[in-house]
Amino acid sequence: EIQLVESGGGLVQPGGSLRLSCAASGFIFRKHDMHWVRQSTGGGLEWVSAIGTAGDTFYPDSVKGRFTISRENAKNSLYLQMNSLRVEDTAVYYCVRSPVELVDWYFDLWGRGTLVSVSS
Amino acid sequence: DTQLTQSPSFLSASVGDRVIITCRASQGISSYLGWYQQKPGKAPNLLIYAASTLQSGVPSRFSGSGSGTEFTLTISSLQPEDFAIYYCQQLNSDPLTFGGGTKVDIK
Repeated sequence: EIQLVESGGGLVQPGGSLRLSCAASGFIFRKHDMHWVRQSTGGGLEWVSAIGTAGDTFYPDSVKGRFTISRENAKNSLYLQMNSLRVEDTAVYYCVRSPVELVDWYFDLWGRGTLVSVSS
Repeated sequence: DTQLTQSPSFLSASVGDRVIITCRASQGISSYLGWYQQKPGKAPNLLIYAASTLQSGVPSRFSGSGSGTEFTLTISSLQPEDFAIYYCQQLNSDPLTFGGGTKVDIK
């Protein structure tokens, strides 16, 4: 089955750290650009990070310097290291795939998400 | 950042209705726009990419149009399974951004 399964979410205090993992299966993971996208409780979607097939990484300013995306192709796994967490980082974090056949970053496969809550 | 404004934010419609959702970009984004559907408790699902290309497996009652700053998603005949929230996404400029969503509810 083609799927993405996230893990690692939880409750953390402001200033703390958390590492999210995503296990991919059913497709050739190393061929796809991968992303993390988050959704706040209010419903808004925000792209958080991307990693290309060559390991190049991309971030919006809101998380740059605090979050680090990485991948381990041998394990079909994607990661997100989140440091210096803020209350506004509270959201469901989705592991997301971009299609190989498109050059552009559309999102054609999503995981079920993992909830990150930042609160004291 | 490129802002995407969806309208309406909420609409109430009946099965069989034609539904049109608009997404306006704060600057021109050519045709670098996607549409997603999200049902309660589920992740978003890609419906349309490149403004008007239907993703594989998506019913033909869904269609997209537009370029530049104004885009539309049309559902030609609303079905019970189409009641959901719809989001647009631009990828013309960094960072990628999403619209605020349009909730389609049952009248």
